[in-house]
Amino acid sequence: GQNIDQPTEMTATEGAIVQINCTYQTSGFNGLFWYQQHAGEAPTFLSYNVLDGLEEKGRFSSFLSRSKGYSYLLLKELQMKDSASYLCAAMDSNYQLIWGAGTKLIIKP
Amino acid sequence: DVKVTQSSRYLVKRTGEKVFLECVQDMDHENMFWYRQDPGLGLRLIYFSYDVKMKEKGDIPEGYSVSREKKERFSLILESASTNQTSMYLCASSTGTADNSPLHFGNGTRLTVT
Repeated sequence: GQNIDQPTEMTATEGAIVQINCTYQTSGFNGLFWYQQHAGEAPTFLSYNVLDGLEEKGRFSSFLSRSKGYSYLLLKELQMKDSASYLCAAMDSNYQLIWGAGTKLIIKP
Repeated sequence: DVKVTQSSRYLVKRTGEKVFLECVQDMDHENMFWYRQDPGLGLRLIYFSYDVKMKEKGDIPEGYSVSREKKERFSLILESASTNQTSMYLCASSTGTADNSPLHFGNGTRLTVT
């Protein structure tokens, strides 16, 4: 079956770095997405990886290893506004998205 | 910026009622989707549409139907609401130019069925 795993909740300190992991098993693979969702709001697109390696976008970076079925989202210089849920979604061979349950990130001062 | 607007943020309906959830996007996107979001679960796809008057079943279509009469509007219909349809419903759209186009979501409709 198809499956995505990510931690349910993580806590980090303002100014620090946090890495949110995501492992996936899909029938075929056409890329992996990360979305951010603040409480009560719409998910918003953060990143898309289809090739192995690290993609950096300001304070946020996303990494993919296709051979390991693994991705992570790296958040640097954490700010209180980064408190949110982070959703990982893998696209299978039919271009359908398989979603993880999300990781709730709590930032403490 | 793409705007996806869902007509209601909160709805309370009774069991057996027919419920309409409306979604409008303003960026001429071909693709539109309806998801439900429940605690501890990933987003689950109910229905999607790649074109006007076209619809495809997602992973959990039972108890739902959809309508896409105009490109910008995608409606989700609960024919006879049941308590297990209490959930957050998210509408999304994306351009049809690339299969890896990111989704643009509405703010969601939190539906409670009593």
